[in-house]
Amino acid sequence: EPEVTQTPSHQVTQMGQEVILRCVPISNHLYFYWYRQILGQKVEFLVSFYNNEISEKSEIFDDQFSVERPDGSNFTLKIRSTKLEDSAMYFCASSGDSMGDPYQPQHFGDGTRLSIL
Amino acid sequence: DQQVKQNSPSLSVQEGRISILNCDYTNSMFDYFLWYKKYPAEGPTFLISISSIKDKNEDGRFTVFLNKSAKHLSLHIVPSQPGDSAVYFCAASETGTASKLTFGTGTRLQVTL
Repeated sequence: EPEVTQTPSHQVTQMGQEVILRCVPISNHLYFYWYRQILGQKVEFLVSFYNNEISEKSEIFDDQFSVERPDGSNFTLKIRSTKLEDSAMYFCASSGDSMGDPYQPQHFGDGTRLSIL
Repeated sequence: DQQVKQNSPSLSVQEGRISILNCDYTNSMFDYFLWYKKYPAEGPTFLISISSIKDKNEDGRFTVFLNKSAKHLSLHIVPSQPGDSAVYFCAASETGTASKLTFGTGTRLQVTL
């Protein structure tokens, strides 16, 4: 069964450094998402991406965050200058093939654990 | 912002019995509801979903019920198996596939022998 893959599984970075989290969504999906889960808290939406542009973002997704789909397969989340509070699990998800069913589930990767020191 | 609530943080059920996990929501714009299962160190795995035009959807051992007037949904697992032990998240979106998911806080299900 097709799956969403994320790399790396764990990233340790010094505060103030830039990080790039990488995702390969399911190949025929059209909608891409990033979520995060801070330890002990619920999964929170960060950003959605469709047709090569951001379609929605949360208040968490401020100017230090950016997303990109540099080629036909990868979807990346960049955090420009990391803070301690950015430490979390970051999940990539994708959904929606071209068959037109408006109710298709999002499928998630196994996440990248980001630890900011 | 608690638009999706799972009021039971944990549930313990004997193998072979029915597990019932509950979820309440406050946003009347939600029209698509999903259940995910999560093991430690893995991402959420999609289990079953229901759109607002239905009140029941069944897939094998899993059934989701939606009560729109009460803004309540539930996941029934029958019979429960030890491999079902995981954290279960309820999630909802406003416009189906293309919309962000709002998650509940999760219910940890323990299926005992």
